[in-house]
Amino acid sequence: QKEVEQNSGPLSVPEGAIASLNCTYSDRGSQSFFWYRQYSGKSPELIMFIYSNGDKEDGRFTAQLNKASQYVSLLIRDSQPSDSATYLCAVKPSEGNKLVFGAGTILRVKS
Amino acid sequence: DVKVTQSSRYLVKRTGEKVFLECVQDMDHENMFWYRQDPGLGLRLIYFSYDVKMKEKGDIPEGYSVSREKKERFSLILESASTNQTSMYLCATINRRTSTDTQYFGPGTRLTVL
Repeated sequence: QKEVEQNSGPLSVPEGAIASLNCTYSDRGSQSFFWYRQYSGKSPELIMFIYSNGDKEDGRFTAQLNKASQYVSLLIRDSQPSDSATYLCAVKPSEGNKLVFGAGTILRVKS
Repeated sequence: DVKVTQSSRYLVKRTGEKVFLECVQDMDHENMFWYRQDPGLGLRLIYFSYDVKMKEKGDIPEGYSVSREKKERFSLILESASTNQTSMYLCATINRRTSTDTQYFGPGTRLTVL
């Protein structure tokens, strides 16, 4: 059973702080990793994807991948109240064309 | 921009009714997916399709069937709705001709079965 684990939260951070969201996965051969943001009552929207070990930055967002330790994280700098949402980690396993999603972490940014 | 639409945002049905949820995408994508999302359980894959008339079971196919007669349309069918199928249903699509596996989601259908 290929699994993706996330802390459900809620993770509370003050406005302007760095929010750190973590995700671990069980399939060592996983190839692609995605972070989605989902506002309450809305569908998930892609924030970032990452394929290679290391960091990938896009504006206030940085995805970090460590394949040896089988974790991927998302850092949100200068957190804003509008970042308050559920963040879903998704992993493409070594076999098949499906994505495996974590259950999501609730982030609350307090002004 | 990729556009994925779903036939209804909210739907209320009675136990035993046959329910059709439709998903349409306008980007000629090959792969389409149906998920349900429940609190604490995350997204669970029901069925997916690689191409017209092709379908494969996901993790929780019981009680559901699908139809893909045209490339742009992927339908989810609840043959006899039950209360435990009350959920948010999400359709997604992937363009396999690009190097990414990014899934694009429709707006979702919140189904309530009474």
